[in-house]
Amino acid sequence: IQLTQSPSSLSASVGDRVTITCRASQGISNYLAWYQQKPGKAPKLLIYAASILQTGVPSRFSGSGSGTDFTLTISSLQPEDFATYYCRQLNSYPHTFGQGTKLEIK
Amino acid sequence: EVQLVESGGALVQPGGSLRLSCATSGFTFSRYWMYWVRQAPQKGLEWVANIKQDGSQKYYADSVKGRFTISRDNAKNSLYLQMNSLRADDTAVYYCTRHLWGDFWGRGTLVTVSS
Repeated sequence: IQLTQSPSSLSASVGDRVTITCRASQGISNYLAWYQQKPGKAPKLLIYAASILQTGVPSRFSGSGSGTDFTLTISSLQPEDFATYYCRQLNSYPHTFGQGTKLEIK
Repeated sequence: EVQLVESGGALVQPGGSLRLSCATSGFTFSRYWMYWVRQAPQKGLEWVANIKQDGSQKYYADSVKGRFTISRDNAKNSLYLQMNSLRADDTAVYYCTRHLWGDFWGRGTLVTVSS
């Protein structure tokens, strides 16, 4: 199953609302997770089961979708949110990641 | 506090072998599926392998099947990845992660395959 994220990169300002999409090449129900990765650091789980916020993650992050189309939304960008975001499907093997979306400061 | 600490990464020649370890603490290791995920330099994330709680089921990415072996020792709370016939494209940071969703990750260990 291929995951295609869009956009691949994005420039935005603090306070902006940002949406990243992840499209699966076939249906994956809600077996999708979103991760944030900062340079030199391990990925951090943000959202699992497409829409469940991981404990400790700020509520400005939200996820939605089911089947083949998913979105990650950051309601009001904060300086610490500038990073690369990945989606990942765990519906079937091989588990796959999207190519990543790099979120940069405008 | 949940901790996962990878070790064993090194510079190795093509065709060589390496064994990675992931020492865990702060949770009941035997209750969780465990995963290896890697990231080549300046590239995205790639699932490598995973193993069931009791070690009875193991799954591998096609890119490593037949060369890598995942294992675990529940008595030692540790996860392993035996890597044989290493190739240049195996060069990456290797992370161990907990659970289907990857709720906790180690800091990673760097494997460099080069002559």
